[in-house]
Amino acid sequence: KQEVTQIPAALSVPEGENLVLNCSFTDSAIYNLQWFRQDPGKGLTSLLLIQSSQREQTSGRLNASLDKSSGRSTLYIAASQPGDSATYLCAVRDSSNTGKLIFGQGTTLQVKP
Amino acid sequence: ETGVTQTPRHLVMGMTNKKSLKCEQHLGHNAMYWYKQSAKKPLELMFVYSLEERVENNSVPSRFSPECPNSSHLFLHLHTLQPEDSALYLCASSLTTASGNTIYFGEGSWLTVV
Repeated sequence: KQEVTQIPAALSVPEGENLVLNCSFTDSAIYNLQWFRQDPGKGLTSLLLIQSSQREQTSGRLNASLDKSSGRSTLYIAASQPGDSATYLCAVRDSSNTGKLIFGQGTTLQVKP
Repeated sequence: ETGVTQTPRHLVMGMTNKKSLKCEQHLGHNAMYWYKQSAKKPLELMFVYSLEERVENNSVPSRFSPECPNSSHLFLHLHTLQPEDSALYLCASSLTTASGNTIYFGEGSWLTVV
């Protein structure tokens, strides 16, 4: 059974710092991995999607990497800003075509001005 | 704005009430989903609908009853819920259930059972 773990559960940094959020999964037979952002009381916004054949994806100040064989992904946020404060969720999909996403519990990030 | 709209955004109901959550998508998608997000637990898939047919029921209690009258609308009917059912219920959709299709989430409906 696939399990997704995110470390740390919470993180507080001063503005301007570069930071790394970690995601690990127990079954390496994934189809893709997706990072989402969730603001308090809101739904999920997709940030980056990495296919299993890819090693990384970049969007602006965000860079997500994937090491499928070791069951790990990282989300790197450069030059963090207070507006980056949110919960970041990692989710994996397998190739079963059921549409099922398996989520981690998230990392809650606070960027202090 | 993801194109997936959920109503109501907030709902408080008693344990003997019957209420419904509604989800609507304007993306032309054929697959729709209900997810549950409880405090201190990961998001969990509840139901999957593909072309208006339920294709997955993730061991959800019968007090939650989904309905998909057409590919644009999805309901979650709630009946005799328990306080532990209080959570954020998220609707999502994708073009199909194929693993290569991006899933888009709504803003969620906050449910409190008293």
